[in-house]
Amino acid sequence: QQPVQSPQAVILREGEDAVINCSSSKALYSVHWYRQKHGEAPVFLMILLKGGEQKGHDKISASFNEKKQQSSLYLTASQLSYSGTYFCGTDLISSGSARQLTFGSGTQLTVLP
Amino acid sequence: DVKVTQSSRYLVKRTGEKVFLECVQDMDHENMFWYRQDPGLGLRLIYFSYDVKMKEKGDIPEGYSVSREKKERFSLILESASTNQTSMYLCASSLYGTIEISGANVLTFGAGSRLTVL
Repeated sequence: QQPVQSPQAVILREGEDAVINCSSSKALYSVHWYRQKHGEAPVFLMILLKGGEQKGHDKISASFNEKKQQSSLYLTASQLSYSGTYFCGTDLISSGSARQLTFGSGTQLTVLP
Repeated sequence: DVKVTQSSRYLVKRTGEKVFLECVQDMDHENMFWYRQDPGLGLRLIYFSYDVKMKEKGDIPEGYSVSREKKERFSLILESASTNQTSMYLCASSLYGTIEISGANVLTFGAGSRLTVL
């Protein structure tokens, strides 16, 4: 079952902050975040494992609350290069050995000058 | 520096035609995946393969089949294309599926194949 992402779209000015949320109805082993720019392949940003670990990458960070089965992606002081569609991918504990990711519907982020 | 290559970026086919979408990875990854991307629906898993000649159905396998004869190559086959299969198709690979090793299932995507069925 697909995780639910919110918001569906967000428009920011350069320098503003944004939060993108991802929630699942099933127990998660890990959450992945990917960014896809227009006409390009999705690119891996970060992975968060079961344990509530928060990770960071430049001014983009994320958290994972395994009790709530939720993850949030934080974009701080947005830059024009942050524009794109962000996808969360969830890896279920129940997947067993056949590891696969189920993706949300995406959040379209637009950063304006 | 290209790691996952999809042979066709754009295809136009007629209803009922047999369609082959090819994907090749050069990273010696164990796992390969085919996703379908549609506006508002995100990426939906069609099939994946965790070894040569092994395959498993994803969330939307109906109307599709796959073939993996060599480790580096994973093909998606539409036996009889229909208009509702018009979409962007993304191939991806990951090192392997071991859950004990962090990051082993991180996906590397190809640039996509946009298929239009008339």
